[in-house]
Amino acid sequence: DGGITQSPKYLFRKEGQNVTLSCEQNLNHDAMYWYRQDPGQGLRLIYYSQIVNDFQKGDIAEGYSVSREKKESFPLTVTSAQKNPTAFYLCASSQQGFAQHFGDGTRLSIL
Amino acid sequence: GDSVTQMEGPVTLSEEAFLTINCTYTATGYPSLFWYVQYPGEGLQLLLKATKADDKGSNKGFEATYRKETTSFHLEKGSVQVSDSAVYFCALTHMAGNNRKLIWGLGTSLAVNP
Repeated sequence: DGGITQSPKYLFRKEGQNVTLSCEQNLNHDAMYWYRQDPGQGLRLIYYSQIVNDFQKGDIAEGYSVSREKKESFPLTVTSAQKNPTAFYLCASSQQGFAQHFGDGTRLSIL
Repeated sequence: GDSVTQMEGPVTLSEEAFLTINCTYTATGYPSLFWYVQYPGEGLQLLLKATKADDKGSNKGFEATYRKETTSFHLEKGSVQVSDSAVYFCALTHMAGNNRKLIWGLGTSLAVNP
């Protein structure tokens, strides 16, 4: 079945550490997105990519980085510069202009 | 800029009650409108969508009609079940041009009691 796979489901970060969240899709979608979800704040866009080797900052990109070397993959790195990284992270993909499909999310916590 | 406003939750209903979750929007041009549902601990799933004025999206007993005159896309269901307990998000996106981001409402939590 086609879909979006996020891993790991749960992730723990130590102070000063960078961690990378994986997002893979086999839907052949051009566009991919990373969102952060905090209680009561809905979804906030971190980064998005409309084509391979290109990506744009969303509303809250500080402390995060991404790459888009392959159409299927859009990993998100939460750097040590992100001072409040505890959140639920959601990856999505879409064909240009159409509805987004979501993975099951990664919950990141601080040790 | 474009925005989506949803009614605040939590909404608590008894099983078989009628559900309405209000959603209004502000946008230039002709956006497409969506309702997504998020069950506890999971990602979001597309529930229904409408791409032009007067379109009605429907799925799993839920319906929403794209009302351009009132800039609204209210979600309704005639008889809710306990399994409908989730958070519901209204969103909009433009289908043309370079701006293809979704604009999200804050979500409305629904709890259905047996």
